[in-house]
Amino acid sequence: GENVEQHPSTLSVQEGDSAVIKCTYSDSASNYFPWYKQELGKRPQLIIDIRSNVGEKKDQRIAVTLNKTAKHFSLHITETQPEDSAVYFCASHGSSNTGKLIFGQGTTLQVKP
Amino acid sequence: DSGVTQTPKHLITATGQRVTLRCSPRSGDLSVYWYQQSLDQGLQFLIQYYNGEERAKGNILERFSAQQFPDLHSELNLSSLELGDSALYFCASSQGTGRTPLHFGNGTRLTVT
Repeated sequence: GENVEQHPSTLSVQEGDSAVIKCTYSDSASNYFPWYKQELGKRPQLIIDIRSNVGEKKDQRIAVTLNKTAKHFSLHITETQPEDSAVYFCASHGSSNTGKLIFGQGTTLQVKP
Repeated sequence: DSGVTQTPKHLITATGQRVTLRCSPRSGDLSVYWYQQSLDQGLQFLIQYYNGEERAKGNILERFSAQQFPDLHSELNLSSLELGDSALYFCASSQGTGRTPLHFGNGTRLTVT
C-alpha cells in the first residue's frame, strides 16, 4: 500500500546551521511531493513542492531534492532561524485519479538561538 | 488565510454523542479532503470528495461519514463518539484531482469527554 517514511522524528540545530529531513515513499507511481510546515496549534502550510520530472527545486533558504530511482526526497533548510522551529511533514501523491496526499509522520525541528 | 473555512473551531462533547464538522473549500476548488490529526500524530487521510462524489477513502471508521453538497461545502459526521476520537480534524481543498497542493483550513479541535 501507499506509505511515506520520514526521518528524523526530531531535529535540533543551532541558529545558522543547516537542517535536512528525509522521506522515502513506497508507490513508484508517485509523481508529486509537497512539504508542509505546521506551527503549534495551526494548520499545515505548503512551503515547497516538487514534481517527478524535476530533480531539485530551490526557494530562498529552502530546497527539495528528489531521487526517483531510490524513491526518496529530502528537504534542506539553510541558515536556520528560530522562526523555522515547527513540525515539517513530507507527503506524496500517487498517480491514481485522486488528489489525496499521504503524509509522513512529521519532524519536529527546533532551532536554538 | 488559506481560503478554506472550517466550523466550529472547538467542540467538546461526551462519549456516545454525534457531531457534525463543516468545511467550505476555497473558491473554485472542487475537491475536499478530510484528515485527522491526533495528539503528536501525523495527518491521517479519511476521505475525499470531488464535485459532490466520493473519490477516495482512507482509514475512515464506519462510525464516521461525510458528504459534499451541491454548493461544494462538505460535512464530516462523527457518531457514537469515543475518547480516542479526540483530535484535530482538518479539511483541505484543491482545484482538481491532479498534482496540485492541498490548502488546509484551520481545523476543528474535537474533545470527547
